[in-house]
Amino acid sequence: KQEVTQIPAALSVPEGENLVLNCSFTDSAIYNLQWFRQDPGKGLTSLLLIQSSQREQTSGRLNASLDKSSGRSTLYIAASQPGDSATYLCAVYNFNKFYFGSGTKLNVKP
Amino acid sequence: DTAVSQTPKYLVTQMGNDKSIKCEQNLGHDTMYWYKQDSKKFLKIMFSYNNKELIINETVPNRFSPKSPDKAHLNLHINSLELGDSAVYFCASSQGRGWEQYFGPGTRLTVT
Repeated sequence: KQEVTQIPAALSVPEGENLVLNCSFTDSAIYNLQWFRQDPGKGLTSLLLIQSSQREQTSGRLNASLDKSSGRSTLYIAASQPGDSATYLCAVYNFNKFYFGSGTKLNVKP
Repeated sequence: DTAVSQTPKYLVTQMGNDKSIKCEQNLGHDTMYWYKQDSKKFLKIMFSYNNKELIINETVPNRFSPKSPDKAHLNLHINSLELGDSAVYFCASSQGRGWEQYFGPGTRLTVT
C-alpha cells in the first residue's frame, strides 16, 4: 500500500525567501505526482503534475522535482510572497488511485 | 464558468437523516472522484467513476452510494447519517485515469 508523507507539517518564512517543501512516498512504481495548494475553506488548485518519466516541471516561481528511485519530490518556491500562504499537498498516482499526503501549511510573513 | 461545481456548499443535518451532494463538471472529462477530508485535513479517495462506470470503491460504509447519471455528473447519496460523517467532501475530475485532477470547492457536512 502506498503511503505519502509531507515534512514539515507547518512552515513559517519571511517574505522574499526561497523555500522547499518535501514529499516522500513508499512505493516508487508511481504513474505521476501532482502538487496542489489549498486555501482555507476552498478546494484544491492544481499547481504542477510530473509524469513518472520526468525529473522536473516548472511554472512561474514554482519548480517541482521528482526522484522516483528514492521516493521523493520537492516543490521549490522562489521569492515567496504573502499570497503563497496556503496548505500544499502532494499526491501520487498508482494502483489506479491518487494517494495524498497530509500537507504542509505555509505561512509567508510580510 | 466554474469547471467543477458542487451543491450545496454547506450542509447541516441531524443524525439518521438521508442527504445528497451533487457534483457537475463542464470540462468534458471522463473520470470523476469523491474524496473525504477529515478534521486533520487528510484527503482520502472514496469512489471513482470512469465513463459512468465505477472503478474504485474504497472501504466506505454502504450507507454511501455514488450515482453517475452521465459523464458530467457524479452525485453522492448518504443514508442514515452519523456524527462521524461530518467532514468536507470534495468532488474532482480528470481527463482520464491518472490525469491531472481538478477539484470542486467542497461541501462541508455537519451532522448534529
